[in-house]
Amino acid sequence: DVVLTQTPPTLSATIGQSVSISCRSSQSLLHSNGNTYLNWLLQRPGQPPQLLIYLVSRLESGVPNRFSGSGSGTDFTLKISGVEAEDLGVYYCVQSTHAPWTFGGGTKLELK
Amino acid sequence: QVKLLQSGAALVKPGASVKMSCKASGYTFTDYWVSWVKQSHGKSLEWIGEIYPNSGATNFNEKFKGKATLTVDKSTSTAYMELSRLTSEDSAIYYCTRGRAYYWGQGVMVTVSS
Repeated sequence: DVVLTQTPPTLSATIGQSVSISCRSSQSLLHSNGNTYLNWLLQRPGQPPQLLIYLVSRLESGVPNRFSGSGSGTDFTLKISGVEAEDLGVYYCVQSTHAPWTFGGGTKLELK
Repeated sequence: QVKLLQSGAALVKPGASVKMSCKASGYTFTDYWVSWVKQSHGKSLEWIGEIYPNSGATNFNEKFKGKATLTVDKSTSTAYMELSRLTSEDSAIYYCTRGRAYYWGQGVMVTVSS
């Protein structure tokens, strides 16, 4: 199975600070159809995960543009340009290029 | 808009089975795969498997073969997952999702206890 390694596991930030989360894959996530199925999710406390970014860098409708995704192959990054209080929670990367889907271990974003 | 409404929490005894539902609305149910994901307490997420409502085709994570059964009722746009021979390791929140984790249900908390 593909292993997704997220770093850091915990991130402390102040409001307005810019932060980045890394997601590294044990193998390339480039699908034979040319797509890279790497998404980013946010799970707020007591809530189901919600989609933020899909196909590496595409912003889901309704998600603030302070969120951005980048990367290719095996290395991916989620950046939040100016953290807001509503951004607190656990961030997960998930790949569905290779079966079975796999998830990163999560990065907990908390207020400093 | 797309909604996935899951059934309520379940308390079940060890060795028993549980069947949960995921009712879809806001899109054509038969056009998208429905996946199921497990989240054990305080832990990350595991993909259980998926079903294509139009044909009933399924794919499973090897870890959950024999544990989970996926079905659909196209007439009610509802997907189902049944978990069998439950143990304490099956206590978790179970989510249904549409497509490649684009939309999520609210989750079903399953507690296995005597």
